[in-house]
Amino acid sequence: KAGVTQTPRYLIKTRGQQVTLSCSPISGHRSVSWYQQTPGQGLQFLFEYFSETQRNKGNFPGRFSGRQFSNSRSEMNVSTLELGDSALYLCASSLYGQGGTTQGEQYFGPGTRLTVT
Amino acid sequence: LAKTTQPISMDSYEGQEVNITCSHNNIATNDYITWYQQFPSQGPRFIIQGYKTKVTNEVASLFIPADRKSSTLSLPRVSLSDTAVYYCLVVRTGANNLFFGTGTRLTVIP
Repeated sequence: KAGVTQTPRYLIKTRGQQVTLSCSPISGHRSVSWYQQTPGQGLQFLFEYFSETQRNKGNFPGRFSGRQFSNSRSEMNVSTLELGDSALYLCASSLYGQGGTTQGEQYFGPGTRLTVT
Repeated sequence: LAKTTQPISMDSYEGQEVNITCSHNNIATNDYITWYQQFPSQGPRFIIQGYKTKVTNEVASLFIPADRKSSTLSLPRVSLSDTAVYYCLVVRTGANNLFFGTGTRLTVIP
């Protein structure tokens, strides 16, 4: 089974621009979560989508948004980029919420490294 | 959600057993303990999860005492490829949002 894929892997943007990152979950997984990882703040939860609905949201400003499509693929968007948005953005998919699964077991993709200049 | 505390770093020689302890004093009845491993520039990888007593899989063992206020991840006979950051998480039943702490950076020395 193919793992979680994220595109693009690397991205360089300028302050003020916006960016869209894409995530394809493992086949059959309907839950997709997004995380931001920086050296200073570590790994932080952004939001989770399940069956096209946002189910959980972390403590990030409204510039960070996401969506999920009917095929469970997800995108996250960051508008008006700031230098502090430079980070590794990780997507994770999970079976949890679909019954009979180990909760807390998420499968992470390789991440998209975003650099804001 | 219960905060977790674990050592910032540990060193071990190849072939030794490594035990990483995590404290979670405010764990609730419906919380599980989960451990992840992360290599540089990669996403975290699920290792093991438990509720109480002992859980073992092909990679590690997890020991949880009766009061559940701490847990210990045991890695048998580590190799150089086990050098990574290990995260202890408390996961609430019904929730799928993970809160990662600072983790323990394990360095395996030849």
